[in-house]
Amino acid sequence: EVQLVESGGGLIQPGGSLRLSCAASGFTVSSDYMSWVRQAPGKGLEWVSVIYGGGSTYYADFVKGRFTISRDNSKNTLYLQMNSLRAEDTAVYYCARGWAFGYWGQGTLVTVSS
Amino acid sequence: DIQMTQSPSTLSASVGDRVTITCRASQSISSWLAWYQQKPGKVPKLLIFKASSLESGVPSRFSGSGSGTEFSLTISSLQPDDFATYYCQQYNSDSRTFGQGTKVEIK
Repeated sequence: EVQLVESGGGLIQPGGSLRLSCAASGFTVSSDYMSWVRQAPGKGLEWVSVIYGGGSTYYADFVKGRFTISRDNSKNTLYLQMNSLRAEDTAVYYCARGWAFGYWGQGTLVTVSS
Repeated sequence: DIQMTQSPSTLSASVGDRVTITCRASQSISSWLAWYQQKPGKVPKLLIFKASSLESGVPSRFSGSGSGTEFSLTISSLQPDDFATYYCQQYNSDSRTFGQGTKVEIK
């Protein structure tokens, strides 16, 4: 059974850093497209970043240069390193599997506030 | 980047109604379009991929059509469980994009 479990969210001050994790089971993260998607409170879905099986990475313009997607194949875990956080980055962050997102985690809330 | 525009933003309908949501891409995305359903406090659920392919386990009252820049999601007979927000998403490019969402409300 495919499972995705995010962790690492919390309250962080503007300008701070946070690393989100997405532990996968039932498949190998290095064999598929893995993305991060976020949803601000009361707002729509926003795609954040993707890492391909071959390791190529791509980002939405609003996080480019601040966020880094990566994975640890030995831990079968996806990461999102978030630096220079802003209030507008406040959202639930989901990891998702696939070219179209057939599997989602439950999400982890990131709150950027002083 | 490819922009995705959904219409309407809100749709009021009754149980049994036929409902259609449209999604327009700012440039051609071939058939690389997905539709998701999200209920309040819940994780999004994939309904349709590659514009018209029904995800396993999704009721057949849901259907998708279109290619290029114009797409639609149709619910043939709206059921109480279908009141939710629906999103389209393109995955033609390395940078994926969602539409802004369409909320289907009870009339």
